[in-house]
Amino acid sequence: GAVVSQHPSRVICKSGTSVKIECRSLDFQATTMFWYRQFPKQSLMLMATSNEGSKATYEQGVEKDKFLINHASLTLSTLTVTSAHPEDSSFYICSARSEGETQYFGPGTRLLVL
Amino acid sequence: GNSVTQMEGPVTLSEEAFLTINCTYTATGYPSLFWYVQYPGEGLQLLLKATKADDKGSNKGFEATYRKETTSFHLEKGSVQVSDSAVYFCALRNNQGGKLIFGQGTELSVKP
Repeated sequence: GAVVSQHPSRVICKSGTSVKIECRSLDFQATTMFWYRQFPKQSLMLMATSNEGSKATYEQGVEKDKFLINHASLTLSTLTVTSAHPEDSSFYICSARSEGETQYFGPGTRLLVL
Repeated sequence: GNSVTQMEGPVTLSEEAFLTINCTYTATGYPSLFWYVQYPGEGLQLLLKATKADDKGSNKGFEATYRKETTSFHLEKGSVQVSDSAVYFCALRNNQGGKLIFGQGTELSVKP
């Protein structure tokens, strides 16, 4: 099946710094990419949906200035957590979809803000 | 609105036991239904899917049948293995371009 990678897999940062997470579709062109957040033992919460070359659509309650999403190409999307705080610590998962229905998920990035 | 409800976990089974994880949904129209599996420390992997009523999705010994009359998509496996230990998510999407809506996940633990 299609492969979606994320980098880094794990990151620890100090409070107040910004962290960038990359999501790449390795063997297909992703017209749409999704960013999710998952708290321990909970379901995935959709944060935003992005289409290549256009602004991301954020879900209600997600701060777009806090979580900057760039979908620069058909194979790359980035999520930047700006001025991170301990409450931003979480597991962030990206997902990519081409023109078909199937959505492929990355392995996730665990962010710990100290 | 659209929603997915799964049976609460954790579910603990012995190896070779029969598995059922219940999933029911609420949706307008005719959604596509999915089961995803998340192994510890990893992202989600698509396990199986069904796109219309009475379809049966199957993969790796797991099966689920799209039951429109009961709005259900229960996951079953005849004989579980320790390696099946993971969190299983039921999900729906209402149309081709729509968002995936996930249930809360059910943790499965299989003991040798």
